[in-house]
Amino acid sequence: DIQMTQSPSSLSASVGDRVTITCRASQSISSSLNWYQQKAGKAPKLLIYAASSLQSGVPSRFSGSGSGTDFTLTISSLQPEDFATYYCQQSYSTPRTFGQGTKLEIK
Amino acid sequence: EVQLVESGGGLVQPGGSLRLSCAASGFTFSSYWMHWVRQAPGKGLVCVSGINSDGSSTRYADSVKGRFTISRDNAKNTLYLQMNSLRAEDTAVYYCARETYSNYYWFFDLWGRGTLVTVSS
Repeated sequence: DIQMTQSPSSLSASVGDRVTITCRASQSISSSLNWYQQKAGKAPKLLIYAASSLQSGVPSRFSGSGSGTDFTLTISSLQPEDFATYYCQQSYSTPRTFGQGTKLEIK
Repeated sequence: EVQLVESGGGLVQPGGSLRLSCAASGFTFSSYWMHWVRQAPGKGLVCVSGINSDGSSTRYADSVKGRFTISRDNAKNTLYLQMNSLRAEDTAVYYCARETYSNYYWFFDLWGRGTLVTVSS
């Protein structure tokens, strides 16, 4: 199975900050990398697919980049509703695997 | 409305069985791969099982292989997960999720709200 490792595991930031979360795959996954946001008690929500494609309806302050084994999710200017947990996921092979999550908290 | 609604969760004793259902509406259910993803309390997301659009191909995580069976009824627009020989470590919220693709890249674009399974004596 492909292992996905996110860093950091948690992050404190303020409204308006620029934030970057990284995700590393244990082998090359081309651009088969997705990002999800999950708020407490809610289902995950797709933000970014194919490493850098913004899902319809997702604000443009979210962006993704990378290919191969190293990927990033960037939030250009944090908004109050962005405080949540973020997961990367590879869809290069089965089983689909997720990173352990990055909890973004208010500073 | 395009949605997935899970049901069937609850409290079950270790060694027991449970059958989860996921009712799909608002889209052509028979055209999509579907998955079950679980999340133990305070933990991350884990893909448990997946099934292709016509039910002819299935996938399982090693942790559930031989105990869980995924299936679907496209006439009823419903996905199932039969869970046998349940263990305490199967305690989790179980989500069903739709997988789709764009330009050959796959992703989960629709999720249900989840159903809680608690395995305890």
